[in-house]
Amino acid sequence: RKEVEQDPGPFNVPEGATVAFNCTYSNSASQSFFWYRQDCRKEPKLLMSVYSSGNEDGRFTAQLNRASQYISLLIRDSKLSDSATYLCVVSGLAAGNKLTFGGGTRVLVKP
Amino acid sequence: DAGITQSPRYKITETGRQVTLMCHQTWSHSYMFWYRQDLGHGLRLIYYSAAADITDKGEVPDGYVVSRSKTENFPLTLESATRSQTSVYFCASSEPSLPTATEAFFGQGTRLTVV
Repeated sequence: RKEVEQDPGPFNVPEGATVAFNCTYSNSASQSFFWYRQDCRKEPKLLMSVYSSGNEDGRFTAQLNRASQYISLLIRDSKLSDSATYLCVVSGLAAGNKLTFGGGTRVLVKP
Repeated sequence: DAGITQSPRYKITETGRQVTLMCHQTWSHSYMFWYRQDLGHGLRLIYYSAAADITDKGEVPDGYVVSRSKTENFPLTLESATRSQTSVYFCASSEPSLPTATEAFFGQGTRLTVV
């Protein structure tokens, strides 16, 4: 079993719609959680960190469920520019601060 | 310029040759990482370093060698390149702050083709 698993998609989303997807992780000692965005195999860039209480950044909302060991990302009012691959990233000091990536979820926003 | 830079950006090499990919960061981050990304796969960790002269294996270290004599540099060497090492290689750096890890910043990647 992979440490971090994601549905690869693609999620085909009409412009303006809401899309949500999850990521599960296997290491219960994980402490830090992030969503990165990657465009066309360019370098990944941080979208948002995920905090225990959940957090929102504009149209993006991230949630963490430690009991079930998953994090989620919700995108509201999808824009064409949201088309990308979203990478779930898990880390922890006990794991040497390594960032472990999921395989990514591809989102395609269509007019 | 501040940031993290990789060189070369593109490289074509022959099977059996030694190749070194360079990574340089200007933030003095403690941690540096090398990942590879293959079509249809996420990023897989090759090696990482917690500080100068400290390196450790990641998920897929076979066939690679790293060194970190200076905090700012973390070169990755393919000792004898194979076609299976054709990939996009990303270098990253981060500076942990207790009690949680912090985000990593990535270089632009090196596209390596082994023929």
